[in-house]
Amino acid sequence: AQSVTQLGSHVSVSEGALVLLRCNYSSSVPPYLFWYVQYPNQGLQLLLKYTSAATLVKGINGFEAEFKKSETSFHLTKPSAHMSDAAEYFCVINQAGTALIFGKGTTLSVSS
Amino acid sequence: DTGVSQDPRHKITKRGQNVTFRCDPISEHNRLYWYRQTLGQGPEFLTYFQNEAQLEKSRLLSDRFSAERPKGSFSTLEIQRTEQGDSAMYLCASSPGTYYEQYFGPGTRLTVT
Repeated sequence: AQSVTQLGSHVSVSEGALVLLRCNYSSSVPPYLFWYVQYPNQGLQLLLKYTSAATLVKGINGFEAEFKKSETSFHLTKPSAHMSDAAEYFCVINQAGTALIFGKGTTLSVSS
Repeated sequence: DTGVSQDPRHKITKRGQNVTFRCDPISEHNRLYWYRQTLGQGPEFLTYFQNEAQLEKSRLLSDRFSAERPKGSFSTLEIQRTEQGDSAMYLCASSPGTYYEQYFGPGTRLTVT
């Protein structure tokens, strides 16, 4: 069965600092991986997706993620955090083309 | 593209009552999914439709839950004899096909008192 594990339920950074949210996956077949963001009182929004075309994936709002098969990782990064980045971030894997399997989420806090 | 819409946004009901939620997907998407999200957790898959056919149901979907998608357009999720454990955010998503990203609606927050 496929699964994702997000390391760290809460990450705090200062405005302008590097954002690094960690995700490891488990899959017996080439995975389809996503990062979704959930802002307070808003719906889930797709940040970026990996579909095997390129290992470095660029998403919206300056975020990117790198797929590393040898490490079974798909970490999310942003060079410089902004206050508006404060939200819940979910690493997600697509199970056999149907259900999305979500990690438990990482809450990102950004301080000024 | 008006996005996925859900109605109602909030529902408070007494234990034992039946509730029904509606989801309108993005019009050209043939796949529609239902998920449930409880506080502090990621969404969990409940069921999905391809057009009007319900193709998969999670073990989370007890006999009290039923979902339909008549004519392959909007979908409804009904919970009969609600229990306090049903309190959660119910999310609907749609996609244009297999392995595509799923687009989520704003959710319906259910509170069972």
